[in-house]
Amino acid sequence: EVVLTQSPGTLSLSPGERATLSCRASQTVSSNFLAWYQQKPGQAPRLLMSGASSRATGIPDRFSGSGSGTDFTLTISRLEPEDFAVYYCQQYSSSPEWTFGQGTKVEIK
Amino acid sequence: EVQLVESGGGLVQPGGSLRVSCAASGFTFSSYSMIWVRQAPGQGLEWISYISATTSPIYYVDSVKGRFTISRDNAKNSLYLQMNNLRAEDTAVYYCARVDWAPPHLDYWGQGTLVTVSS
Repeated sequence: EVVLTQSPGTLSLSPGERATLSCRASQTVSSNFLAWYQQKPGQAPRLLMSGASSRATGIPDRFSGSGSGTDFTLTISRLEPEDFAVYYCQQYSSSPEWTFGQGTKVEIK
Repeated sequence: EVQLVESGGGLVQPGGSLRVSCAASGFTFSSYSMIWVRQAPGQGLEWISYISATTSPIYYVDSVKGRFTISRDNAKNSLYLQMNNLRAEDTAVYYCARVDWAPPHLDYWGQGTLVTVSS
């Protein structure tokens, strides 16, 4: 079973600052089968990124994803007020399993 | 516009049963695999079941095997999750989501339906 560990648990930043979120896998994630989701209170998760670095439709370019193997990063270049939310990474393996990280909360400082 | 709308959640006693549904629209439902994901109050996301576009294969997470059954009716554009022998730890918001395989990710989600297991 692949375990995803996200860090930090909470990121306290101000609008306009850069956010760097980490997702580390316990085993190599195949072919960049790594996605990122954003969830706001009371809402369903929304897809941000697939294949580690491909933005979903409608996602602004201040969001970027990178990484391979076991280490992945989601970067928000300049935080907008609507970006304060919880972010989850997710991987797929052929076991099959769809594993999520525990989430990183980006809060207003 | 792709839409997924869950229904059927509610309060059920431990050991009871409940069926939640997901109505799909805005896309060719029969061409897509679907998945159920749940989120316990204040907690993270957990996938619990997967069904392919053609109904086979089907997979479950270990914690629900033998208790939950996923199914779909492509003629009705609907996905279902039959939950039996419910436990307090099954209390969660249940989301249906569409699977996109290129590469694997969940591209559309419903708004969720709350299932509360309590006496």
